[in-house]
Amino acid sequence: KNQVEQSPQSLIILEGKNCTLQCNYTVSPFSNLRWYKQDTGRGPVSLTIMTFSENTKSNGRYTATLDADTKQSSLHITASQLSDSASYICVVSARMRFGAGTRLTVKP
Amino acid sequence: DAGVIQSPRHEVTEMGQEVTLRCKPISGHNSLFWYRQTMMRGLELLIYFNNNVPIDDSGMPEDRFSAKMPNASFSTLKIQPSEPRDSAVYFCASSMGTTVAADTQYFGPGTRLTVL
Repeated sequence: KNQVEQSPQSLIILEGKNCTLQCNYTVSPFSNLRWYKQDTGRGPVSLTIMTFSENTKSNGRYTATLDADTKQSSLHITASQLSDSASYICVVSARMRFGAGTRLTVKP
Repeated sequence: DAGVIQSPRHEVTEMGQEVTLRCKPISGHNSLFWYRQTMMRGLELLIYFNNNVPIDDSGMPEDRFSAKMPNASFSTLKIQPSEPRDSAVYFCASSMGTTVAADTQYFGPGTRLTVL
């Protein structure tokens, strides 16, 4: 069983709408959780990194939350744009464990 | 800065052949990572180096895979002999510090390997 579970697997939304992606993990020990954005045919790009003591971190229209007690994280995208269409990958460390990703498609 | 540079971008080879993938990390970065990505398994960490020294190679799938970092500006990932199941996109990433868990990693564009 994967130690990092992401949901949904895929998501289609209209441009301008908000959405939230989920990441649940069982990885232990925990040092940090990262969200990456990966455009088709390109390498992942880091969006946020959160440690145990941080429960919210923003990067522009992207806001990540972390609940270390329930071992859950979410990535909220505000006012989506066509360029947000990508896969979003959650990675939990100390031993880097990757989620399978959520494929987001933003339609005009 | 040009970012992480990988070559070749695409490689098609026949089963049994040796394959060498190359990576130039961002100048000044002290950690280098090799990843593999497939549809079935997603992203997997294969090996990483701190200051040119291999730290964790537990993700290397088997003895057919080897990685070297002879200096701070160059690393190779070699597969010998290659097999069709090695077909994947191989990413190299680098980060500034040696604290793997905390530093932001910058990924290269990847090498798409197809083994026939």
